[in-house]
This record gives sequence, structure tokens and C-alpha cells, in this order.
Amino acid sequence: DAGITQSPRHKVTETGTPVTLRCHQTENHRYMYWYRQDPGHGLRLIHYSYGVKDTDKGEVSDGYSVSRSKTEDFLLTLESATSSQTSVYFCATSGQGSNQPQHFGDGTRLSIL
Amino acid sequence: AQTVTQSQPEMSVQEAETVTLSCTYDTSENNYYLFWYKQPPSRQMILVIRQEAYKQQNATENRFSVNFQKAAKSFSLKISDSQLGDTAMYFCAFMKLTYNDMRFGAGTRLTVKP
Repeated sequence: DAGITQSPRHKVTETGTPVTLRCHQTENHRYMYWYRQDPGHGLRLIHYSYGVKDTDKGEVSDGYSVSRSKTEDFLLTLESATSSQTSVYFCATSGQGSNQPQHFGDGTRLSIL
Repeated sequence: AQTVTQSQPEMSVQEAETVTLSCTYDTSENNYYLFWYKQPPSRQMILVIRQEAYKQQNATENRFSVNFQKAAKSFSLKISDSQLGDTAMYFCAFMKLTYNDMRFGAGTRLTVKP
């Protein structure tokens, strides 16, 4: 597929601690996305990037920040994790062009106690 | 804002039979794309099929086909000759052309019974 690697695959941490999730892609795709998946909600967009240092908010961006210093890496940071941010997080990428579907990483299961 | 609704939280079908999953969406856009993704227990998100809104012909991929009704804003997925490996969550998704921004429905859990 699109060569997307998410790290870590699983993480357990405590409320109030900072957490950073990493997404690495090898396809030189322009667009990158972070989603969270919760029961009954499907996937909801947190933030996305349309180029290096170009990012914007999605529908559930509160409490999250992102950075993209290189084409291949897109970081998601929870500055001070809360229990409501316990979720499965997916990274996705999409190539240039309006008809390109998104390709997904394998997800990161994050538990905040 | 675009919304995507999947009204069937769970469905089941006997192996070798046909099942249809429903999806409706709301948008003011005229050009867009629609997708069905499959998520098996392995948690991977796998693209099943896609449809361009400007194409009237319904997309088909082997046993998977869609019924796209643009005026009704409906996009259902038909799975023919269901197989045990089709057991998964299925997500309908709408994509705007800007930044390939995608919105997902809440999903339908499909179980194929032997």
C-alpha cells in the first residue's frame, strides 16, 4: 500500500502527560491526515496537512496539535492528555490530485488512565 | 459541513448470499467522491470501491458494486456471493475535492455466517 508507518502501535499513559504520535510515509504523498476512531463515531478528522509546514484543523482538533517539518513525517501531539482522548488514532495520506483516495496506517491504540 | 449517515449499525448475511449496506450523505457540493472502506478485525482500513459524483455509471469491483443516486444523495454498497472474509466494519466516506478532505459515517458491522 502507501508505506505508512505509525509509531507507537500501542501506548498507555497517565492524565496530564504529553504524548506524541508519529506517522511516517515513504510515498512522497502531499496530503497527510490524523483521525481518531471511537465507537459510534466512525473516523473523525483531527488535523491535516497539505504540505510541509502547512497544516489546518479538522472537526475535532481541540487538545491536539500537529507538525510537519518534512514531507514524510506528520506528528500528532497531545500537550496534556485527558481520558477523553483515549482512542485509536489513524494516520492517512493522499497523493496529489483531486481523485486520490486516502491510504491508512495500521493505527495507534492510545489509553489514558 | 458534510455529514455521512449509515443507518444500519449491524447486519448479518449467510455465506454466498447478497447483502446491501446503506449510506446517505448531505452536501452542497456538486463535484465530490464517495468511498467504501472495509475494516476487518485486524484494524486495517482497506479501500473497497470508489465513485466519482460526476459519473452516472455505478462503480463495480468484482463482487462489490454500488448504487449511486446523486439526487437522493444515496450511496449503497452491494456485496454479492458473500464470503467469510467479508466480515468487517464497513465505512462510507465522502470526499471534497479541496485538500481531499474526507468525512466518514459511523460504520456498519457486517457478519457473514457460514
